[in-house]
Amino acid sequence: KAGVTQTPRYLIKTRGQQVTLSCSPISGHRSVSWYQQTPGQGLQFLFEYFSETQRNKGNFPGRFSGRQFSNSRSEMNVSTLELGDSALYLCASSDRVGGQETQYFGPGTRLLVL
Amino acid sequence: GENVEQHPSTLSVQEGDSAVIKCTYSDSASNYFPWYKQELGKRPQLIIDIRSNVGEKKDQRIAVTLNKTAKHFSLHITETQPEDSAVYFCAASKDDKIIFGKGTRLHILP
Repeated sequence: KAGVTQTPRYLIKTRGQQVTLSCSPISGHRSVSWYQQTPGQGLQFLFEYFSETQRNKGNFPGRFSGRQFSNSRSEMNVSTLELGDSALYLCASSDRVGGQETQYFGPGTRLLVL
Repeated sequence: GENVEQHPSTLSVQEGDSAVIKCTYSDSASNYFPWYKQELGKRPQLIIDIRSNVGEKKDQRIAVTLNKTAKHFSLHITETQPEDSAVYFCAASKDDKIIFGKGTRLHILP
């Protein structure tokens, strides 16, 4: 099976712009989670989607939003970008088999906000 | 909300020795505790996890212990090897909402 893919891998934006990141989960996985990773704050949970519904949300402002499509692909959108949004954005897809959940991360999208 | 503390932030051990990383959590309702390994420039990888109904889990050289009463859990790596050098993150999860520790940078010394 192909792994989790994310596009684009690198992105440079300026303050005030908006950005959309894409994540394609492993085939058959219905859960997609998004994370922000920065040197200062570490790994932080953004939100989780399951079967096109947001199931959980972390403590991020409303500028961060997402959605999931019927094929389980997910997009994350950040509006009105701020310098502090510069980070590595990781998505992970997971599958629950026999009560055991296994999560796989994508390579991430490195966003730089200037 | 949940808060996860991870110690130490940096750990250096001689190759072949054991390494222990400790985490504490605040929300007693957390019931799933995964550990991730992230090598430099690479994505995090789930290496082992434990659920609140289990006290210990082992997978080859890696083991995780959980003390629900004290609300702490630990990662143990035995017979460390150079490829164990990485940043390790612990996490605590409740209802699929996950909070990570700040990470431990593990250096394996030759």
